[in-house]
Formats: sequence, structure tokens, C-alpha cells
Amino acid sequence: EVQLVESGGGLVQPGRSLRLSCAASGFTFDDYAMHWVRQAPGKGLEWVSGISWNSGSIGYADSVKGRFTISRDNAKNSLYLQMNSLRAEDTALYYCAKDMFDPWGQGTLVTVSS
Amino acid sequence: QSALTQPASVSGSPGQSITISCTGTSSDVGGYNYVSWYQQHPGKAPKLMIYDVSNRPSGVSNRFSGSKSGNTASLTISGLQAEDEADYYCSSYTSSSTLAYVFGTGTKVTVL
Repeated sequence: EVQLVESGGGLVQPGRSLRLSCAASGFTFDDYAMHWVRQAPGKGLEWVSGISWNSGSIGYADSVKGRFTISRDNAKNSLYLQMNSLRAEDTALYYCAKDMFDPWGQGTLVTVSS
Repeated sequence: QSALTQPASVSGSPGQSITISCTGTSSDVGGYNYVSWYQQHPGKAPKLMIYDVSNRPSGVSNRFSGSKSGNTASLTISGLQAEDEADYYCSSYTSSSTLAYVFGTGTKVTVL
């Protein structure tokens, strides 16, 4: 069974940093692209970032470009999102998702507030 | 990277069919056959229902179908059931950036 488990969320002050992790199991991790998608409380889905199987292609939403960095460690079956210069508008549930956004993890909540 | 446009809400009675639209541009929906649809129940993670415009993953009911015409994609739910009440989102690959995707604004489906 494919499983994605996010961690690393929490309460952080504006301007600070946070690193999210996504542990993958049940599939050959290094065969697939991976994505981060977020959902602000009561709002819709927003694609944040994606990374190809070998990290050769990486993309970011305009809203996070220059502040967030996606990476992966295929030896550890793990996906990461380094989030710097956090803003209140980054407050959201952050999901990791495999390839064609199937499946999704349960998400980790990031709250940016002073 | 503007969100794809979906109606805020759609409703129908049990057994009826409903259709949700998803309008983008030639840089996303109209330019690629990489449109997907997701179902999200309250407090749950989204679930893939349709991929590549009209394909259903294994295990998804054949009451769900997808199509596309120009810059607009559509999700049709036939034989509406109470369990179909949820939020639905479309997504599309977009040429706006490397490996980039854009989601729709979301549609709340209510079963009357």
C-alpha cells in the first residue's frame, strides 16, 4: 500500500524558517516525481512545488519562488520542503503527493503567526 | 499562475446527473491533456477521481466521467449518491513554469 506521511509542521513566527518532510513507502520512490500542495484553512488547493524523480526538474509557484526549496533523498525515500521567510499567508495544511497527485498524505499544518 | 475557474457550488437530487466545469487557458487546460479531478470530503485528503482528462483510476466508480473541449474541462457525476457530497477540484499541467500545475477554485457538490 502506498503511504505518504508528512511531518515538520507547527507554529512559527513571521520571517522564520521551517522544514517539512514526507516519508514515502509502498512504491519505488525514485521512479516518480513528487509534489507539495497546500490548503489554507477553509480555502482551496494550491500547488506549491514539484520535483522530478532525479531532481533534474524543479518547479515552484510564483507565491513561494525564492523562499521555498524542494528536495528529495531517494536513498531515504523522503521528500522535503525548506520554507524560509515565512509569511502569514503561508499558513496552511501542506500535503505531499505522488506523481499525478495520487495518492496524497494526510498533511502537516503550518501556522505562521506572532 | 491563476487558478482555474470552477462554479462555487452545484447541487442535484439522488439519481440525477450533474456536471462541473473547469475553465482555464490555452497555457493549461486547452494546451495539454493533463487535466485531473479530485474529490475531498471534510477533514480528509483529496482523492484522485479522473486523470488525463477522462481516465478513471482503479477503484473509482464509473459514475464519474471527464471530458474536455477547448479551454474547458468537465466532470460529470451520474446517478448522484449521498456519498458524492464533497468538494471537487480540477487541476491541469501548465506551461507557466517547470513541472508546474494549477488547481481549480473548487466546487461544493450538494446532494439534495
